[in-house]
Amino acid sequence: DQQVKQNSPSLSVQEGRISILNCDYTNSMFDYFLWYKKYPAEGPTFLISISSIKDKNEDGRFTVFLNKSAKHLSLHIVPSQPGDSAVYFCAASGTSGTYKYIFGTGTRLKVLA
Amino acid sequence: ETGVTQSPTHLIKTRGQQVTLRCSSQSGHNTVSWYQQALGQGPQFIFQYYREEENGRGNFPPRFSGLQFPNYSSELNVNALELDDSALYLCASSFGGGSYNEQFFGPGTRLTVL
Repeated sequence: DQQVKQNSPSLSVQEGRISILNCDYTNSMFDYFLWYKKYPAEGPTFLISISSIKDKNEDGRFTVFLNKSAKHLSLHIVPSQPGDSAVYFCAASGTSGTYKYIFGTGTRLKVLA
Repeated sequence: ETGVTQSPTHLIKTRGQQVTLRCSSQSGHNTVSWYQQALGQGPQFIFQYYREEENGRGNFPPRFSGLQFPNYSSELNVNALELDDSALYLCASSFGGGSYNEQFFGPGTRLTVL
């Protein structure tokens, strides 16, 4: 049972354009969401997070949007840069009593110069 | 400030053997979480240690066990290795047990079981 889903395994975007990565979740108990970026041979690196009391959080070129009614979140990267090419993981956690992140399967973003 | 380190970087074992993976948490952190990342999948939570006690566990069998030491470093032990245990094992450290504390990941240990 995949509680966090990233349905697009890959995405290619031209440099300077917007990258939009999507994530859906099924568990309504999730109330904290994060995006991590992973380069080959490195561990995931935290990018940005959002609490369920918000619908938007912005940090420089990165913005995360949360639609609780649709159980959907998205990460926008504007403008996209070649250095953004990596695998992006969406993760969720909640007050279920277990102290864990539930990760999606990842989206490989390729930014073309 | 030292980041999260893991050792070894790569490991090859045969089915039925036992393995110990090690993790040093980031300076100032007292919580370590372990994840298994199979090829093409996202990381899956194994367990978390907070102040030397197990503080949450995912859907992994008892042959996956761990320890946390007084300096907050941690070990992951896997007994009776199976072929499906081949994966990247990630350690993440944070301050304070619980879901909401940002976790910082190490580079991982790549385990291959033959």
